Amino acid sequence: GNSVTQMEGPVTLSEEAFLTINCTYTATGYPSLFWYVQYPGEGLQLLLKATKADDKGSNKGFEATYRKETTSFHLEKGSVQVSDSAVYFCALRTRSGGSNYKLTFGKGTLLTVNP
Amino acid sequence: GAGVSQSPRYKVAKRGQDVALRCDPISGHVSLFWYQQALGQGPEFLTYFQNEAQLDKSGLPSDRFFAERPEGSVSTLKIQRTQQEDSAVYLCASSLVVGLADEQFFGPGTRLTVL
Repeated sequence: GNSVTQMEGPVTLSEEAFLTINCTYTATGYPSLFWYVQYPGEGLQLLLKATKADDKGSNKGFEATYRKETTSFHLEKGSVQVSDSAVYFCALRTRSGGSNYKLTFGKGTLLTVNP
Repeated sequence: GAGVSQSPRYKVAKRGQDVALRCDPISGHVSLFWYQQALGQGPEFLTYFQNEAQLDKSGLPSDRFFAERPEGSVSTLKIQRTQQEDSAVYLCASSLVVGLADEQFFGPGTRLTVL
């Protein structure tokens, strides 16, 4: 089956620090990979995605590269801001089979950025 | 409206009561999804509609859970005889069509607490 394992939180950083949140996956078939973000009191929002190996997704200064050889999709940002404080979810969706609409999520990583 | 809306945002039920959770998807979106998010976990797939047809209900945890979308727009998730283990945030998502490139837009969720 499909599964996503991401770095346990919480993660606490100072403003302008470098962020890495690790994510690895197991999938039947060839997945598309996603990072979602959930700000306090809000719904999940798509942050970035990658649909094939070596693709780099990027948005709002965040980046993640689809690494098929290591089955990983680590999220990085060079300089975090207080406004980046949120819960981050890694997710996948497989291309093959009849259920290619299902998202499989990791457990989420709470990020707190202090001024 | 501009996004997916859900009501109520918070629901407290006594064990054994029936509850109904409503989802208003983005207008014109064909696909609608329900996910369950337990505390400290990522969302887990419950069920999927394409227009009014429920094409996948494999994630519903028991026959106490029932979902409908009779006119292909608004959806209701009903839980009968609620149990404490049903306490979770229930997320609704919609997408314009079905496809790997199609983004699922999430609502803010309904937090259900069963006492």
